Amino acid sequence: GDSVTQMEGPVTLSEEAFLTINCTYTATGYPSLFWYVQYPGEGLQLLLKATKADDKGSNKGFEATYRKETTSFHLEKGSVQVSDSAVYFCALSDHSGGYQKVTFGTGTKLQVIP
Amino acid sequence: ETGVTQTPRHLVMGMTNKKSLKCEQHLGHNAMYWYKQSAKKPLELMFVYSLEERVENNSVPSRFSPECPNSSHLFLHLHTLQPEDSALYLCASSQDLASGSTDTQYFGPGTRLTVL
Repeated sequence: GDSVTQMEGPVTLSEEAFLTINCTYTATGYPSLFWYVQYPGEGLQLLLKATKADDKGSNKGFEATYRKETTSFHLEKGSVQVSDSAVYFCALSDHSGGYQKVTFGTGTKLQVIP
Repeated sequence: ETGVTQTPRHLVMGMTNKKSLKCEQHLGHNAMYWYKQSAKKPLELMFVYSLEERVENNSVPSRFSPECPNSSHLFLHLHTLQPEDSALYLCASSQDLASGSTDTQYFGPGTRLTVL
């Protein structure tokens, strides 16, 4: 079945550092790929998505490129802020049985220190 | 703003209690989902309702009973729970299109459940 593997955290960075959170996936077919973010005490929010190979999703300075050849969707940001501290989830979705089935990774906690 | 609300936000219950979690979406979506989020585990999909019909039941114990009375509301009825059921329960909704294309799931803030 489908699966998502992302790097374990926590990842601790100083403000303005460069961020990479690795994500790889296995799937049959051609899924859409997502990054969700969860701030403390809240539910998951969509951060960015890409629906086909070579697409780049971007939002709030974050970006990720759908790499079919390496089955990866790594999240990057050039300069992190304290407010980016959260848990980041990589996910893929497949339309199966008439609904959207989403498979999530285990999440990577990011801590940004001033 | 996600447009998906969940009540209560926190719930503590004993193993013999019966309680219900409520989810409401204000986005006009036609599919709703229950997920369980436990520490250091991936999100677990529990139930899916599409057009008010249950289309997925991921081997969830019968002590969890979902109900979807209309496309805007989703309930999770709880009875005789175990301490290992303590977790964050997240509701989500999406617009599933007849064409088969996918869309984003929008999540509520969750209900933090503690079973004593």
